[in-house]
Amino acid sequence: GAVVSQHPSRVICKSGTSVKIECRSLDFQATTMFWYRQFPKQSLMLMATSNEGSKATYEQGVEKDKFLINHASLTLSTLTVTSAHPEDSSFYICSAREPFSYEQYFGPGTRLTVT
Amino acid sequence: GIQVEQSPPDLILQEGANSTLRCNFSDSVNNLQWFHQNPWGQLINLFYIPSGTKQNGRLSATTVATERYSLLYISSSQTTDSGVYFCAVPVVGNQFYFGTGTSLTVIP
Repeated sequence: GAVVSQHPSRVICKSGTSVKIECRSLDFQATTMFWYRQFPKQSLMLMATSNEGSKATYEQGVEKDKFLINHASLTLSTLTVTSAHPEDSSFYICSAREPFSYEQYFGPGTRLTVT
Repeated sequence: GIQVEQSPPDLILQEGANSTLRCNFSDSVNNLQWFHQNPWGQLINLFYIPSGTKQNGRLSATTVATERYSLLYISSSQTTDSGVYFCAVPVVGNQFYFGTGTSLTVIP
């Protein structure tokens, strides 16, 4: 099946700093990528949909200026958490969809801890 | 919006036992996926199953779209089956809405 990678897998940062998370589709071109957030023992919550070459579409309640998403190529989307605070600590997961397919493939996730 | 409920929320099985996990959804959908999230957080695609029945080894899934539910069967469970099982259905724009999850623990 299709492979999606994320980097870094784990990051600890200080409050007020920014963190960038990369999501790559390794063996297919992904016109659409999705970013999710998962708190402990909870389900995944969609944050935004990222389309190559256009602005991301954010879900209600997700701050666009805080969670910057860039999808500059067909294999790479990035999520930047700006001015991170401890409440931003979470597990962030990306997924990618192959063209002309409904199936999504997920990255291994990035665990962010803000101290 | 669409509601996706999974049951049971938690399940403990003895190794070798069989189980059925259920996913109910409130609106008509044109596709559905089942995932296994392992203890390290990785989501693994199990089935893409908008309707009908599929089997893959010890796992099988059935979706009855007209009645708005899907079932995931695990036979002869193994400790490596432990983790959280999610069903997910698409909403507008093909984003997935995830169910509440079933946390499975298989004990030796």
